[in-house]
Amino acid sequence: NAGVTQTPKFQVLKTGQSMTLQCAQDMNHEYMSWYRQDPGMGLRLIHYSVGAGITDQGEVPNGYNVSRSTTEDFPLRLLSAAPSQTSVYFCASSYGSNRNSPLHFGNGTRLTVT
Amino acid sequence: DQQVKQNSPSLSVQEGRISILNCDYTNSMFDYFLWYKKYPAEGPTFLISISSIKDKNEDGRFTVFLNKSAKHLSLHIVPSQPGDSAVYFCAARAGTASKLTFGTGTRLQVTL
Repeated sequence: NAGVTQTPKFQVLKTGQSMTLQCAQDMNHEYMSWYRQDPGMGLRLIHYSVGAGITDQGEVPNGYNVSRSTTEDFPLRLLSAAPSQTSVYFCASSYGSNRNSPLHFGNGTRLTVT
Repeated sequence: DQQVKQNSPSLSVQEGRISILNCDYTNSMFDYFLWYKKYPAEGPTFLISISSIKDKNEDGRFTVFLNKSAKHLSLHIVPSQPGDSAVYFCAARAGTASKLTFGTGTRLQVTL
């Protein structure tokens, strides 16, 4: 039972480079989301999706793009990396139609932008 | 504007004693609350939740209390065990929205 799988686990980028953080879930969850965790800031919502083909912005969306072409996958794209995007990124999913369904998280991607 | 606040960044408790983690919120639309536990190098894992129609929910050693008038919830762990040492996040949800708003976390250390 894989749950939520994030790749890569670690990544170092230079300022201005682009990359995609991958997220896949095998639980047939409708809702998927991306958070970043920074010291003293907790978990902040970047983007989320309530189903295939539907995405929306969270609290800190600038500098990131998402798409949801399938139920299983929800990649996060950094268009032009900046040092301020150094963070740990978590993907999470849940049964969105059951609003009391808790979020299931992946193990995170630690990104460093130099 | 931090809508969910955990004002204690850290807490140290002796093994066997009670751990009490606190969380305050400002958004009166929040009606479902969750606690997550996070170990280093892992993603947060769901611990316990409570709906706004209740004021208490228990699951084994873990109890969550909700005081709606004070916009305050707390997580009690009794008895505390060394394996409970982790960062605990409080989270809240409003209405039919699926998205969660998280607090900044409290690092709990349970000492022998």
